Amino acid sequence: KAGVTQTPRYLIKTRGQQVTLSCSPISGHRSVSWYQQTPGQGLQFLFEYFSETQRNKGNFPGRFSGRQFSNSRSEMNVSTLELGDSALYLCASRLAGVTQETQYFGPGTRLLVL
Amino acid sequence: DQQVKQNSPSLSVQEGRISILNCDYTNSMFDYFLWYKKYPAEGPTFLISISSIKDKNEDGRFTVFLNKSAKHLSLHIVPSQPGDSAVYFCAANFGNEKLTFGTGTRLTIIP
Repeated sequence: KAGVTQTPRYLIKTRGQQVTLSCSPISGHRSVSWYQQTPGQGLQFLFEYFSETQRNKGNFPGRFSGRQFSNSRSEMNVSTLELGDSALYLCASRLAGVTQETQYFGPGTRLLVL
Repeated sequence: DQQVKQNSPSLSVQEGRISILNCDYTNSMFDYFLWYKKYPAEGPTFLISISSIKDKNEDGRFTVFLNKSAKHLSLHIVPSQPGDSAVYFCAANFGNEKLTFGTGTRLTIIP
């Protein structure tokens, strides 16, 4: 079974631009979560989608948004990019998004904002 | 409010010895705990998990211990191997709530 895939793997943008990242979960998984990892920080939770609905949201500004499609694929959008948005963005999927389920991560998208 | 804490940012262990990584949590609602291993520029890889109804779970060289009264869990790796050098994250959740991660511990295995 294929793992979680994320595209693109690397991205360079300039301040003020916007960016869209894509995540394809493991086949059959309906929950997709997004995380931001910056140096010195753990994984900071952005949001979780389940059956096309946002179920949980972390403490990030409204510039960060996401959506999930009927095939469970998810996209994350960051508008008006700031230098501090440079990070590794990780997506993870799990079957139904309940406890006792392992969350599987993709390789991440490395975003650099100049 | 850091609900999951890994107070040791780094740890060095001789090859062949035991590595012990620690994690504390504050939310008594957590009922499922996981450890992930992460190499640079890669996504975290699931290692081992434990439910709150257990106090120990073992998988090969990896054992996780849970002490609910102390709100503490630990990951033991024995024997430690050079390929174990990575950043280790503990994580916890309950119900359909989000997975909460610690800040990670960088483990270095010295040959």
